[in-house]
Amino acid sequence: DAGVIQSPRHEVTEMGQEVTLRCKPISGHNSLFWYRQTMMRGLELLIYFNNNVPIDDSGMPEDRFSAKMPNASFSTLKIQPSEPRDSAVYFCASSHNRQGEQYFGPGTRLTVT
Amino acid sequence: TQLLEQSPQFLSIQEGENLTVYCNSSSVFSSLQWYRQEPGEGPVLLVTVVTGGEVKKLKRLTFQFGDARKDSSLHITAAQPGDTGLYLCAGLYTGNQFYFGTGTSLTVIP
Repeated sequence: DAGVIQSPRHEVTEMGQEVTLRCKPISGHNSLFWYRQTMMRGLELLIYFNNNVPIDDSGMPEDRFSAKMPNASFSTLKIQPSEPRDSAVYFCASSHNRQGEQYFGPGTRLTVT
Repeated sequence: TQLLEQSPQFLSIQEGENLTVYCNSSSVFSSLQWYRQEPGEGPVLLVTVVTGGEVKKLKRLTFQFGDARKDSSLHITAAQPGDTGLYLCAGLYTGNQFYFGTGTSLTVIP
């Protein structure tokens, strides 16, 4: 298996633009997680899906952030409009279940100018 | 609110030295995991501990889960440059709330 795949690896955009991050989880995994990592706040859980259904989105910072999982093999995290404070590395992870080992993708480094 | 505090935040040591990093919480964990993250990559699981007082060894790494399941430690013996990275603990709480700690950035100097 190729592992968790994320795209793009790097994204530079201007404030106010829409940003869409993509994730392909490991085949057979039922849980998918989106995280944001910054020096100041560390690794923060944004949202968690189980069997394609959002279970816990309490970590989503505000309405500018939205996430979807239309099927078991694809998820998106969208920021609209983007702001400089959204600059961070965004990770997608998948696992067999909520309690199990999480397999992380390589991350998307987002810079909003 | 940061539920999991790790210490120290930064650690720089010489190759061959021993070190211990800590993960502490005021809440009880259902289980706890340790991950290592290298620059430009995502975290990778090292170990999962589930029983209070449990000790697990992974080559030169020793992981201990506190008796009360509120804290954990990672001890590295004879550190090597390849151990350099960010060490993260992650705790699963009752109600299936899963949180990562603040992280310890380790640099091992050859």
